[in-house]
Amino acid sequence: AQSVTQPDIHITVSEGASLELRCNYSYGATPYLFWYVQSPGQGLQLLLKYFSGDTLVQGIKGFEAEFKRSQSSFNLRKPSVHWSDAAEYFCAVFLPTGNQFYFGTGTSLTVIP
Amino acid sequence: NAGVTQTPKFQVLKTGQSMTLQCAQDMNHNSMYWYRQDPGMGLRLIYYSASEGTTDKGEVPNGYNVSRLNKREFSLRLESAAPSQTSVYFCASSIPGTGSEVHQPQHFGDGTRLSIL
Repeated sequence: AQSVTQPDIHITVSEGASLELRCNYSYGATPYLFWYVQSPGQGLQLLLKYFSGDTLVQGIKGFEAEFKRSQSSFNLRKPSVHWSDAAEYFCAVFLPTGNQFYFGTGTSLTVIP
Repeated sequence: NAGVTQTPKFQVLKTGQSMTLQCAQDMNHNSMYWYRQDPGMGLRLIYYSASEGTTDKGEVPNGYNVSRLNKREFSLRLESAAPSQTSVYFCASSIPGTGSEVHQPQHFGDGTRLSIL
C-alpha cells in the first residue's frame, strides 16, 4: 500500500510566481509529515515537519506547508519562487504504528526566468 | 561543518565484486541510516542503526550488510554486487537514539553513485 503520494512528477513555474507542491498520504491516524529538498548532486535537506498542533508549518528558505486532515494532504507552498529553488522535492511520512518512514517519489521543480 | 560524509562519491563495479561504502558523521548523532535512491521510486531504507552496536533491517536489506563501527561511522557492504544494485546510496543521521524519532532521518550525505556492470 502506498503511504505517501506526490501526484506531480514535474512542475515548471516562472521565477516570482507562487508554488504549491502536492502530497497526499494514506493512513488511518495522523502521521508525522515531512518535506525535504534535494539539489542536484546533493543529499536531502529537511525543509519542515509536522507532528501536531498548528496545521500551518513554517520551514526554512521561505517554505510553508499546511496539513489538511479532511483531504489527507500536506502541500508545500512558497509565495514567490526563486531560481535557486529548482530542485527535487520529497514528501515523507512517519507511521508511528510499526515505526515506518516512507518517502514519496518526488516532484522535480524547474524555475524559468 | 562536515555533517555527514560519504566515500567514495562514485564507483563502478563488475558483477560479483564486493565493496564497502563508508559514512561518517561529526554531529554526535545516535541514529544513522542507509538509503538507496532509484528513479521514480524515491528513497528506500536499506538498514538503520539506532545506536552504536545495533542495526536493523529496513525495507530493502537483501544483498547488503552493515556495520556500526562506532558512534560516528556506519558502513554498507555489498558482498557480491549485482546490476540491480546500481543506484545512488545515501547515508543519513539524526539525534535520537530512542523513541519514534529513531526512524526520522534529518541530515544527509551527498551520496555515492554506484554502477554495477
